[in-house]
Formats: sequence, C-alpha cells, structure tokens
Amino acid sequence: DVQMTQSPSNLAASPGESVSINCKASKSISKYLAWYQQKPGKANKLLIYSGSTLQSGTPSRFSGSGSGTDFTLTIRNLEPEDFGLYYCQQHNEYPWTFGGGTKLELK
Amino acid sequence: EVQLVESGGGLVQPGRSMKLSCAASGFTFSNYGMAWVRQAPTKGLEWVATISYDGSSTYYRDSVKGRFTISRDNAKSTLYLQMNSLRSEDTATYYCTREGGLWEPFDYWGQGVMVTVSS
Repeated sequence: DVQMTQSPSNLAASPGESVSINCKASKSISKYLAWYQQKPGKANKLLIYSGSTLQSGTPSRFSGSGSGTDFTLTIRNLEPEDFGLYYCQQHNEYPWTFGGGTKLELK
Repeated sequence: EVQLVESGGGLVQPGRSMKLSCAASGFTFSNYGMAWVRQAPTKGLEWVATISYDGSSTYYRDSVKGRFTISRDNAKSTLYLQMNSLRSEDTATYYCTREGGLWEPFDYWGQGVMVTVSS
C-alpha cells in the first residue's frame, strides 16, 4: 500500500495569510494526488485532483503542486471559511490511501 | 444538485451484521463508480470499497475482504454495503461517495452514518 504522510498535523494562521500543507507518498504516484476539506456538519469537499487541477467551485486562492512523491497544497489570502481539516489522498492505485490530516486553526 | 444520503447505521454487537444504504439523486447514478469511505472516531479517512458504474467490478481494502460486500441497484439509484462479522475496529462514520471517473477521486460525499460495534 502507498503510505501518505501529511505535514504539519496542526497549523495556526490568521485571515489574509498564506499557508502550505505538504503530502509525501511512500512511492511515486505520478500526478494523482487529491486534496479534501472537512468541516463539522458539512459534507467533505474535493478541492483539487491530479495534483493541481481545481475541482469546479474551488476558489482560485487554493492551488496544488507536485508530482512523484512530494505534493503541496497552498492557500493564499486565507478566508474565515478556510479553517478546518485537510486531507490528501492518492488516486494512482488501489487501495486508495489518505494522509493523516492537517488541522488548520485560527491564530 | 447531487445528494447522497446514507442510512442503516447504529449499534451492533461484535460478530453480527449490518447493511448500509445510500440513496443517490441529482445525477445519472448508473454512469458513476461509487465507494464507501470510513472514519473512526478522532481518526483520519480510510477507503473501504469501490464498485464500478455497472457493478461488474468491485475492490476492497484487505481488512474488510471476505466480510463486507459492496453492491448497487441502478434502477433504484442506491448503493449498499453489507457488513458481516463486524469487529470493534469497524466502528466509524461511513461515508457514501461518488468517484468522479475512472481512477478519479471522490467528488461528492454524503454526510455519513455512524456504525458502532460494541457489546
């Protein structure tokens, strides 16, 4: 199985700042990395897939980069609604596997 | 609007069975692969099983193979997960998800249904 390691586990920031979340795969997954946002009481939301392709409806302040084993989610100019949990997931091979999550909190 | 609504969760004793359902609406159900993803309390997300758009192919994580069966009824736009020989480690919120396409990730999620395996 492909192990996905996310860092940091926790991140504190203020509205207007920019943050980055990293995701490392235990072997190459080409470009096939997705990012999700999870918030209490709301359905999980797909933000980015195939490393850098924004899902329809994802604000342009979100961007994804990377290929092979190392990937990054960057959120520029944080908005209040951006605080929550973020997960990466590889969609290159079964079993699909997720990172452990990053909690983005208000500083 | 795409909607995925899970049902069938609750408390069940170890070794017993439970069947989850997911009613889909707002899209042509028979055109999409579907999957179940679970999340144990205070833990991360874990893929459980996937079924192809026509039900001809299924995939499972090793820990549920032989115990769980994913199925679908395209006429009813409903996804199922039959869970047998349940264990305490199966305790989790189970999410019904739509796969965006072949080898694509989960583009829509339900709100989830809680399954607690305990005596």
